[in-house]
Amino acid sequence: ETGVTQSPTHLIKTRGQQVTLRCSSQSGHNTVSWYQQALGQGPQFIFQYYREEENGRGNFPPRFSGLQFPNYSSELNVNALELDDSALYLCASSLGYEQFFGPGTRLTVL
Amino acid sequence: GEDVEQSLFLSVREGDSSVINCTYTDSSSTYLYWYKQEPGAGLQLLTYIFSNMDMKQDQRLTVLLNKKDKHLSLRIADTQTGDSAIYFCAGVSGGYNKLIFGAGTRLAVHP
Repeated sequence: ETGVTQSPTHLIKTRGQQVTLRCSSQSGHNTVSWYQQALGQGPQFIFQYYREEENGRGNFPPRFSGLQFPNYSSELNVNALELDDSALYLCASSLGYEQFFGPGTRLTVL
Repeated sequence: GEDVEQSLFLSVREGDSSVINCTYTDSSSTYLYWYKQEPGAGLQLLTYIFSNMDMKQDQRLTVLLNKKDKHLSLRIADTQTGDSAIYFCAGVSGGYNKLIFGAGTRLAVHP
């Protein structure tokens, strides 16, 4: 049990819709990272937030955006959903060099 | 560029040792990690090694790092059925601790 929680657990959307995924960090962790894990693959880095500012971004289009709040919880927003966005979305919170992952949100785009 | 490669599948008998291998390209990775993922679950941090170390032992887990060959391995002693899962190695890239993962090694433990 990492203390990192994510909601919802599962989500089904249709192409073109928008989605918001939420992550609650482990207590005291000021950094949150989001990853996309397609079926049968390793997680791919989307972006990272440190103290409410975007701190780094992977190779994802601008329709993937995020927020981090003063309590260090975080949101991942995806606009104009595409079929290829179907994946497990993982958030990880960290204070130093150890990243602790939540259970993920399984997003299915039809 | 940044890349991490792993063999995709490993089958071992219960009680034997398992060795999962990984190669990476980014020699600037300061930390290298092993994560475990069970079906339908998130990633569990198993262990990590700092790049100036050659070996780290943590109970049944032993991590070996060969920096010259950019090779990382995870040995699980006395493998149990509960060890059946997908194992990911990951390196840190960039100044902000971005993790680069391999595709994962599926470990199957049979009686």
